[in-house]
Amino acid sequence: GESVGLHLPTLSVQEGDNSIINCAYSNSASDYFIWYKQESGKGPQFIIDIRSNMDKRQGQRVTVLLNKTVKHLSLQIAATQPGDSAVYFCAEMGQAGTALIFGKGTTLSVSS
Amino acid sequence: GAVVSQHPSWVICKSGTSVKIECRSLDFQATTMFWYRQFPKQSLMLMATSNEGSKATYEQGVEKDKFLINHASLTLSTLTVTSAHPEDSSFYICSASLGGWNTEAFFGQGTRLTVV
Repeated sequence: GESVGLHLPTLSVQEGDNSIINCAYSNSASDYFIWYKQESGKGPQFIIDIRSNMDKRQGQRVTVLLNKTVKHLSLQIAATQPGDSAVYFCAEMGQAGTALIFGKGTTLSVSS
Repeated sequence: GAVVSQHPSWVICKSGTSVKIECRSLDFQATTMFWYRQFPKQSLMLMATSNEGSKATYEQGVEKDKFLINHASLTLSTLTVTSAHPEDSSFYICSASLGGWNTEAFFGQGTRLTVV
């Protein structure tokens, strides 16, 4: 069967490597998914989003993949930099305008 | 993007006192605002949904009499932690939505509450 990336609470990479952060979401009816970056003592910062009618979306150095079959979301960061070190959260939204529900975070540490 | 401002950024209060946290949408009107709480090394947990002009909707397990939410205008929602105790110490974050079919949420910078 298809393998699903496991959620890891921490991820350590070297500068320049590609990073993959995984998330499992809970509601099969969720329509909208977002990845956030949170630095210590700050609010979440928007990275990239994807709607349920898509399976992939690319931004600058980041790609989000959505697998609705297994309710899995991943964030790929290319050429990871020390400034990418932070906690990353996925969030899901059911209907438009309703609250975002956050998944477990992954702490990304990038060493130079 | 739109800006949401929280005030204060941090606050220390004595046990038994009440603390008010403000969440303002600076350049847009927010029909709906959301309040989250985040304990150290944990995710953001939704506390309540604040709708302008009506009562807030609280998530299960959140005491509405302890966490008073007022959304009196389209640009301001307040969260008052009443009779605060050390276990209420946490990072409180608000977000605001443009409403309707718009899915984008804008987050404040958070408020660090420490109850001593």
